[in-house]
Amino acid sequence: DAGVIQSPRHEVTEMGQEVTLRCKPISGHDYLFWYRQTMMRGLELLIYFNNNVPIDDSGMPEDRFSAKMPNASFSTLKIQPSEPRDSAVYFCASSPPRDSGTQYFGPGTRLTVL
Amino acid sequence: AQSVTQPDIHITVSEGASLELRCNYSYGATPYLFWYVQSPGQGLQLLLKYFSGDTLVQGIKGFEAEFKRSQSSFNLRKPSVHWSDAAEYFCAVGAINDMRFGAGTRLTVKP
Repeated sequence: DAGVIQSPRHEVTEMGQEVTLRCKPISGHDYLFWYRQTMMRGLELLIYFNNNVPIDDSGMPEDRFSAKMPNASFSTLKIQPSEPRDSAVYFCASSPPRDSGTQYFGPGTRLTVL
Repeated sequence: AQSVTQPDIHITVSEGASLELRCNYSYGATPYLFWYVQSPGQGLQLLLKYFSGDTLVQGIKGFEAEFKRSQSSFNLRKPSVHWSDAAEYFCAVGAINDMRFGAGTRLTVKP
C-alpha cells in the first residue's frame, strides 16, 4: 500500500504569491493532520481533520492559511499571500481508525518563499 | 499543562556503542507514547509505541523503549548503533486529538 503522498516535494515562490500544497492520505485512514517544521519552532500542528471535517485549526498561524478536505482521499493547504516567514517543510500525516494516535507521515513539501 | 521534553538536542555515539535517548513528559493521564525517526529530507517514521501492558516495548530496527510511570519517562534504547541510525528522533505523547511532539534529538554516529 502506498504511504501518504504529498505534492509538490519542493516549491519555490515569490512573496505575495498563492501556494497550494496537496496531500493524499493512506486509504482507510480517517484522521488527517497538517504540520509545519522549522529549525526555530520544531514540529507544529496546524490543523487536523476527522472524517473530512476540520476538528482543530487553532494552530493555523493566521488567516492567510486555509485547509480543506473535500473527500477522504485528498486535502490541500493553501497560503495566500505567501511571506518569507512561511518558508518551512510542511508535512501531512494520516491515522487509521481506532489506533489511538499512530500517525503516518508523508515525505513533506519544502516551501521556500523569496 | 501537557508537555514533552527531550533533554538532549544532539548526541554523538560511536558505531557499535549502545544508545539511550531520553524523553520526559507531563500529562494528565497515562498517555499513549511514541518514538519516531526522521532521516534527512524525509518524513517521520514510527519506531515504536506504547499503549498499555508490558512497559518494555520493542520496535523496528532493533530499538526498544521502556515506560516508567514513576519517572514520567519513555526512553529509547538500542544496544549497538549502526551508522544508518544517524537521524533525528522525536518522542510524542498524547492521544489522537492531543498529540505533543518533543523538540527532537539529533543522533550522529562516529565510525
